[in-house]
Amino acid sequence: EAEVAQSPRYKITEKSQAVAFWCDPISGHATLYWYRQILGQGPELLVQFQDESVVDDSQLPKDRFSAERLKGVDSTLKIQPAELGDSAMYLCASSPRTGGWNEQFFGPGTRLTVL
Amino acid sequence: SQQGEEDPQALSIQEGENATMNCSYKTSINNLQWYRQNSGRGLVHLILIRSNEREKHSGRLRVTLDTSKKSSSLLITASRAADTASYFCATAVNQAGTALIFGKGTTLSVSS
Repeated sequence: EAEVAQSPRYKITEKSQAVAFWCDPISGHATLYWYRQILGQGPELLVQFQDESVVDDSQLPKDRFSAERLKGVDSTLKIQPAELGDSAMYLCASSPRTGGWNEQFFGPGTRLTVL
Repeated sequence: SQQGEEDPQALSIQEGENATMNCSYKTSINNLQWYRQNSGRGLVHLILIRSNEREKHSGRLRVTLDTSKKSSSLLITASRAADTASYFCATAVNQAGTALIFGKGTTLSVSS
């Protein structure tokens, strides 16, 4: 069964360092989402891509976060510099079409700890 | 911002019992979805109910939707230890392309 792949699964870094997360969605899924999930909370959308274009990045802290999906397939989320408050689970999801009218398929997530 | 609010925040039951968790939301929706998350893992889609549906079943899961009260409930019948997880409702508003908004979740613990 096709799955969303994410790496690394765990990342520990010191504040002010740069970190990057990678996501490979299910083949053929045009829409890719990055979510941040703080412990004890639900996921919150950071950015939504349709193919290689950003559909929604209104909640992405653009002073330190960047995301790209250059060829409309896999995607990278970067944080530079990392802050203590960035410690969270970063989840990638994909769906065949954009928006919330469809089921989303989630990867296992990357747990980030900033020291 | 989070539109959905699950209730209760935590629920502990014995194997074989039924588990009911509720979700309230604020604005009109296109659909409401329930997801499960095992500890430290990604989310798994359980069921999607559209705004013109009132009830939906999938195996041991039963979901109801009351758009007049802006609420939904998820019933898990004959719970098993493997059902131990966090359950999230997520709402999709009527504007096409707008992403899901997740609630804070209900943590279910099923003991044997």
